[in-house]
Amino acid sequence: QKEVEQNSGPLSVPEGAIASLNCTYSDRVSQSFFWYRQYSGKSPELIMSIYSNGDKEDGRFTAQLNKASQYVSLLIRDSQPSDSATYLCAVNSGGSNYKLTFGKGTLLTVNP
Amino acid sequence: SAVISQKPSRDICQRGTSLTIQCQVDSQVTMMFWYRQQPGQSLTLIATANQGSEATYESGFVIDKFPISRPNLTFSTLTVSNMSPEDSSIYLCSVREDLLGYNEQFFGPGTRLTVL
Repeated sequence: QKEVEQNSGPLSVPEGAIASLNCTYSDRVSQSFFWYRQYSGKSPELIMSIYSNGDKEDGRFTAQLNKASQYVSLLIRDSQPSDSATYLCAVNSGGSNYKLTFGKGTLLTVNP
Repeated sequence: SAVISQKPSRDICQRGTSLTIQCQVDSQVTMMFWYRQQPGQSLTLIATANQGSEATYESGFVIDKFPISRPNLTFSTLTVSNMSPEDSSIYLCSVREDLLGYNEQFFGPGTRLTVL
């Protein structure tokens, strides 16, 4: 059974701080990794994808991947109240299997 | 990314009835998927909707309960059959966009189903 684990939170950070969200996965052959943001009552929105070890930056977001440790993280710099949402980690094993396996998500609250 | 719409956005249904959910994409996409998100839970893949052939179902999901159609590259339907309160969930379609070979998937707005 392929699993994706996330701390369910809630994670509470003050406005302007760095929010750090973590995810581990069990399938060692996983190839693609994604972070989705889901506001309450809305559908998931893709915010970051990462495929190689190391860091990938996009604006205030940085995704970090360590395949040896089977670990992927998302850093949100200068957190804003509008970042308050559930963040879902998703993993794909690659090849012709396009299935995404999701973690249960981490609820982030950014306090003004 | 492609613009995805779903109909209906929400519905309240009686036990034993069926509901068909539509997913429309504004451009041709190779792959479409149907997910379920039960209250307070994460997303679980129901099936991959294959154009011109039978859908590929994940473990725990069967065609008799969740028949899927995909008549072309822009449209798919999911039917939730013989519903029970346990089927109350958000149902989401997603599409895979083959951007440089990356497996990025984008979600529609979802259909919130309540079964009484």
